[in-house]
This record gives sequence, structure tokens and C-alpha cells, in this order.
Amino acid sequence: DAKTTQPTSMDCAEGRAANLPCNHSTISGNEYVYWYRQIHSQGPQYIIHGLKNNETNEMASLIITEDRKSSTLILPHATLRDTAVYYCIVRVLNAGGTSYGKLTFGQGTILTVHP
Amino acid sequence: DGGITQSPKYLFRKEGQNVTLSCEQNLNHDAMYWYRQDPGQGLRLIYYSQIVNDFQKGDIAEGYSVSREKKESFPLTVTSAQKNPTAFYLCASSIPGLYEAFFGQGTRLTVV
Repeated sequence: DAKTTQPTSMDCAEGRAANLPCNHSTISGNEYVYWYRQIHSQGPQYIIHGLKNNETNEMASLIITEDRKSSTLILPHATLRDTAVYYCIVRVLNAGGTSYGKLTFGQGTILTVHP
Repeated sequence: DGGITQSPKYLFRKEGQNVTLSCEQNLNHDAMYWYRQDPGQGLRLIYYSQIVNDFQKGDIAEGYSVSREKKESFPLTVTSAQKNPTAFYLCASSIPGLYEAFFGQGTRLTVV
């Protein structure tokens, strides 16, 4: 799976949009971008994933650049409860439509939302 | 409710003793994973299993062992060969395809 690079930490004011970048310059055509977050001392929680189109769900939006070498997770109206470590992961989808194998996490970005 | 359960939440052991961490899921997921997390660090993959009776080493398998005799269970044994076993251990499961992994709440192991 391709390696990802994220900033170590970021700050955001409550109510503002939080934009978390991720670089995955070695991503290949069959690799998807996933985002998870981990609130202190809990298990990580899935947020969103995508291949090349922008995606949105009730939690966040995912913007993937046209060349797919980077992406941005957007939390449109950050709250104090969004303070967490955010992990960007790339994961291969096998030709058979399955996605077995390693699920590898990096260091992530510590997002602190302040009042 | 469906989910993935790790027990116990906190575990203390004396140095030199083997200890087994439990992970059970009732989500009917084929794949299960074990991760280790040290303070201020990301998750590191210990072992993973794609199907019953099969498992593969992750990035830091030395000093650990697993079994996958049942689909819903993937216990991790921390052996005395693990030099620095004190850590937060997380178990996860997933199904094939474009689906997310679900994580348990973790077991914090302290070896004294």
C-alpha cells in the first residue's frame, strides 16, 4: 500500500471548517483513500473513503486532486468533539473486488479544535 | 447489538508471563486485525487474518502469537519474548470490498 504523509498537528476554531491534508504521491490506480479518526484512548472510527471523485457524507467531505497524489478531509463546522488524531490511509482494491490484506496506519494528524 | 468486543479493558501482568488478549466480533466479518499503539504514536500492525485458520504477520509480529479457529474470535497472546509489551492493543474486523474496518475499544496492557 502507498505511503501517506500528513502534518503532525493542526488547530481549528470551533465552528470553522477544518481542512486536513494528506499526501499520497505514490498512489496507484487501484488504491483508495480512507480516513479514520481516533479520539483519545478509543478505537479508531471510520470517516470516509474515495477513489478519484469527491465524496461527502454526514461526517465530512473528501476532496481528491485530479492526479490523485493528495487529498483533503474537510470537517465543515468543527466542534470540540472533533478533537482527535486523523489518519489518512491508502488501501488497494484487488482485481476480484475484495480488499483483503494489510490495513496500515501512519502517524496521523492531531487536530485540536479550540473555543 | 453488533460489534467488536475486546476484554479486558485494563490488564496487568508480571514480566515473563504470557498473556492472552481477547477479541470477539459478531459482525460476520472475514478479516480481523491486531494493532499495537504506544503513547503519542500511530497504530502498528501485529497480525492479521483474512479467513478462519489462516493468518499473516504484520510489521511487528515478533513476540506475539495468534490463532483463528473461529470466524468470530481472534485472540492475541503476548509472550515473554516480547521485549516491551506495555502498550495499548486494538483489534479490528472488516469484510471484503470497499468497507471500513470496525475497531474495538482496546486493551491497555501494563507489564511490571
